[in-house]
Amino acid sequence: AQKITQTQPGMFVQEKEAVTLDCTYDTSDQSYGLFWYKQPSSGEMIFLIYQGSYDEQNATEGRYSLNFQKARKSANLVISASQLGDSAMYFCAMREPAGSNYKLTFGKGTLLTVNP
Amino acid sequence: NAGVTQTPKFRILKIGQSMTLQCTQDMNHNYMYWYRQDPGMGLKLIYYSVGAGITDKGEVPNGYNVSRSTTEDFPLRLELAAPSQTSVYFCASSYSAFSTDTQYFGPGTRLTVL
Repeated sequence: AQKITQTQPGMFVQEKEAVTLDCTYDTSDQSYGLFWYKQPSSGEMIFLIYQGSYDEQNATEGRYSLNFQKARKSANLVISASQLGDSAMYFCAMREPAGSNYKLTFGKGTLLTVNP
Repeated sequence: NAGVTQTPKFRILKIGQSMTLQCTQDMNHNYMYWYRQDPGMGLKLIYYSVGAGITDKGEVPNGYNVSRSTTEDFPLRLELAAPSQTSVYFCASSYSAFSTDTQYFGPGTRLTVL
């Protein structure tokens, strides 16, 4: 079973509007971290935002916020006031405790296109 | 701070050739990782290191080797390149192994094996 599921292969949004990118995860651990990364067409992986499993508040970083619903095991990324430069691939990732090779487990990504 | 740097950015290899992908970080991070990203997919862990002199296999280690002689450097070696190793390779580092700790990525190396 996939540990990270991103059900939207592609999303379109108008400039200045908000968009939500979906992410659901699967783990039996109580302690874990959820991350979103942005990969523009240039290829680098840019860290955007992090949510810890014990955090009671949803994480926010500027125009990015994470809608964390623990019972539903979802960690959706919300981008407010979309900009043309937000067009990129977005990856949701989870890091479980040591014993999982310390790795990040990535979803397959969502390609976001911001239209002018 | 440069963060995580990788060289080269691009490389084309012939089947059977060898090469080393270089990775350096200047954040004094103990933990370093090598991932590969195949087209249309997320990243998969190849090898990781928890400190100088200590390395271990990830999900997809076959065909690769690593070493970690210093905190800063974590090179990835391909001994006998195969077309299945055509991919984008990312090096990453983090301060700790806590599940809450962010991994920071280098810019990637795009490798094609023909």
